[in-house]
Amino acid sequence: SQQGEEDPQALSIQEGENATMNCSYKTSINNLQWYRQNSGRGLVHLILIRSNEREKHSGRLRVTLDTSKKSSSLLITASRAADTASYFCATVPTDKLIFGTGTRLQVFP
Amino acid sequence: DTGVSQDPRHKITKRGQNVTFRCDPISEHNRLYWYRQTLGQGPEFLTYFQNEAQLEKSRLLSDRFSAERPKGSFSTLEIQRTEQGDSAMYLCASSFLADTSTDTQYFGPGTRLTVL
Repeated sequence: SQQGEEDPQALSIQEGENATMNCSYKTSINNLQWYRQNSGRGLVHLILIRSNEREKHSGRLRVTLDTSKKSSSLLITASRAADTASYFCATVPTDKLIFGTGTRLQVFP
Repeated sequence: DTGVSQDPRHKITKRGQNVTFRCDPISEHNRLYWYRQTLGQGPEFLTYFQNEAQLEKSRLLSDRFSAERPKGSFSTLEIQRTEQGDSAMYLCASSFLADTSTDTQYFGPGTRLTVL
């Protein structure tokens, strides 16, 4: 079963704009990870944030984690058409990944 | 390091037939995971191995499903008597578990199963 939900379910923006996706989850976690999936293909790991971290950066990505609210956000700055994909958050309460429902991001040139 | 590979990439079968998928993890990765993803949904956990031991199976894994990792390297996932509801993308991932707080799973391209 899914752990939680991403919000929004779909997001359309112009190149150069920022994209923000939110993720809520239900149980305590060891870490939370974000993955990208291009249409019909495998998942690519983007970033991992530990439960004792509040913010993490990687290139144009910024992830925040609020364990008291059981929520996380992914910010993609200066978006590009190549960022068009589905983005999933995945929590790790024990060993396996529990994915959310995903946000479909469309970036128009 | 060639990444996680899966074979076949696509499989079309008739209801009632058996199918088997293969996953080759990244070399030296001791953990191997199977997930299933249906259209418009996030992947759902099926099972995972640490070396050759199968440590956990989801309730999604009915008795028609069996997975093996006989020598702690590649893994196979077999579905017997396939049903139309088995149509999905089957994803394999591997990791080298050193610390549960930083364990990162790397995914293969998936096997898309269509049951007619």
